[in-house]
Amino acid sequence: EAGVAQSPRYKIIEKRQSVAFWCNPISGHATLYWYQQILGQGPKLLIQFQNNGVVDDSQLPKDRFSAERLKGVDSTLKIQPAKLEDSAVYLCASSSGDTIYFGEGSWLTVV
Amino acid sequence: GENVEQHPSTLSVQEGDSAVIKCTYSDSASNYFPWYKQELGKRPQLIIDIRSNVGEKKDQRIAVTLNKTAKHFSLHITETQPEDSAVYFCAATDSWGKLQFGAGTQVVVTP
Repeated sequence: EAGVAQSPRYKIIEKRQSVAFWCNPISGHATLYWYQQILGQGPKLLIQFQNNGVVDDSQLPKDRFSAERLKGVDSTLKIQPAKLEDSAVYLCASSSGDTIYFGEGSWLTVV
Repeated sequence: GENVEQHPSTLSVQEGDSAVIKCTYSDSASNYFPWYKQELGKRPQLIIDIRSNVGEKKDQRIAVTLNKTAKHFSLHITETQPEDSAVYFCAATDSWGKLQFGAGTQVVVTP
């Protein structure tokens, strides 16, 4: 079974630049998540989709972060403009039921 | 919302000994408690989970116990091996079904 795919794996950008991450969930999983994991911390949920609708985006910094899942499958997460504190791993995950499966993550360094 | 606390933050054990990680949660409506293992630079991977209608679950060298009254759950790893070295995260679903993670426990198994 193919897992959650993410790209790019690594990205270095300067502050105030923009970046976009892409995610393809496990086939058939209706729920898709974006988590932010800062070094030394647990994953923090940014946004949760059910098909192409947003279920929870209460912790998404909407002044600079946006996410979409237009056709209920792939998703993109965008940051614009980036700040130094956005340096983290951005984990995409999907689920069908309780169990959440994570992708390998996109490592972002903002300099 | 749900608050999950995890202890200890680091745990060093001799190979062959047991390791225990404890978590507490705040939302009495929580009903799903997974544990994830994350190796350096890798994605979090589900190793075991437990639901609120069960008090204990075991899978080979790994076991999880749940005390709903006290709102705490624990991960037990017996006969530890060097490959058990990783960061372990507990998590709990809140009343909205959102998964809240603990801060993680760095486990180091020394030969």
